[in-house]
Amino acid sequence: GAVVSQHPSRVICKSGTSVKIECRSLDFQATTMFWYRQFPKQSLMLMATSNEGSKATYEQGVEKDKFLINHASLTLSTLTVTSAHPEDSSFYICSARDPVQGATYSPLHFGNGTRLTVT
Amino acid sequence: RKEVEQDPGPFNVPEGATVAFNCTYSNSASQSFFWYRQDCRKEPKLLMSVYSSGNEDGRFTAQLNRASQYISLLIRDSKLSDSATYLCVVKANDMRFGAGTRLTVKP
Repeated sequence: GAVVSQHPSRVICKSGTSVKIECRSLDFQATTMFWYRQFPKQSLMLMATSNEGSKATYEQGVEKDKFLINHASLTLSTLTVTSAHPEDSSFYICSARDPVQGATYSPLHFGNGTRLTVT
Repeated sequence: RKEVEQDPGPFNVPEGATVAFNCTYSNSASQSFFWYRQDCRKEPKLLMSVYSSGNEDGRFTAQLNRASQYISLLIRDSKLSDSATYLCVVKANDMRFGAGTRLTVKP
């Protein structure tokens, strides 16, 4: 079945550094990928929709200059957390929908998530 | 009001019990519906899609009521391995997640 790979699975960085997270669709082409963030004991919150070849669409309250998204190919989207701070520590998950299955009824396939800890 | 609301939980049930979760959604234009399960510190995994006529997959039964804008998940003969957080997901223009309901099945 469709697989989405996310890397790294865990990262610890110092405050002020930038962290890049990669999301790859392994056996399908994803024109759209989604980035979520999840704080402990809370639900997934959509941060942005990544569109191949164009600018990402950010949800209200998400700073586009802080969370840089690049979707340069049909199989790769990256999220860069710039100048990370401890409050950015969270679980970041990407997802994509296999377009072959149809846009309306196909479920999302998730990456295995990246646990970011900013010290 | 949240777009997708779920039973707050947590649900603590003994093995073999039947447990039901409900989820309501506010966007009447929602087109597709799913239940995901999420284990602690892991990504969500699709449990089942929810179809208009209702559907069953082994011990799991999902129902959709468009008029009342809610979906449900029924788990029969619960197993220890069913312990997880169950997320209700609704798609209109994009996917919206409920906050999740935590289920713990105890021996």
